[in-house]
Amino acid sequence: DIQLTQSPSFLSASVGDRVTITCRASQGISSYLAWYQKKPGKAPKLLIYAASTLQSGVPSRFSGSGSGTDFTLTISSLQPEDFAVYYCQQLYSYLTYTFGQGTKLEIK
Amino acid sequence: EVQLVESGGGLVKPGGSLRLSCATSGFTFSSYSMSWVRQVPGKGLEWVSSISSTMSYIFYADSVKGRFTVSRDNAKNSLYLQMNSLRAEDTAVYYCAKGGPFDSWGQGTQVTVSS
Repeated sequence: DIQLTQSPSFLSASVGDRVTITCRASQGISSYLAWYQKKPGKAPKLLIYAASTLQSGVPSRFSGSGSGTDFTLTISSLQPEDFAVYYCQQLYSYLTYTFGQGTKLEIK
Repeated sequence: EVQLVESGGGLVKPGGSLRLSCATSGFTFSSYSMSWVRQVPGKGLEWVSSISSTMSYIFYADSVKGRFTVSRDNAKNSLYLQMNSLRAEDTAVYYCAKGGPFDSWGQGTQVTVSS
């Protein structure tokens, strides 16, 4: 099974900061990686797929990069609505689309 | 507009059963794989099960294998999750999700397993 490890698990930042979250896969997954945002009481929201493709309607301050085993999600200038939990997901293993453990982004 | 609406959650005793449903609209249901994802209170997202568009491929997380069964009715644009032998650790909000990656999600349905 492919394991995804996100770092850090918790991140404290201020509005306007640039933040980066990392996701490492236990084996190479090419670019089969997605990123989601999850807020309490809300459904998860797809932000990025294919490692770097921005989902329609998602602000351009979100970006993704990487391939193989190492991936990053970057938010260029944090906005108040960006404080949430972020998850990576691998789609390399067909129909067994596991998630990372999550990164909680908190207001400093 | 794509819509996914889960139902069927509730309170059930350990060892009991529940059947979740996910009614969909706004897209060609029969063309997409569908999945179930859950979130235990205070924990992360956990992929539970996925089913291909033609039902040829079905996969489960090890934590539910042998107890949960996913199915779909392409004529009714609906996805199902039959959950048997429920345990306290199955308590979670259950979401249905479209495609891969999961570009649309339902609002979730709460499942509580408690005596």
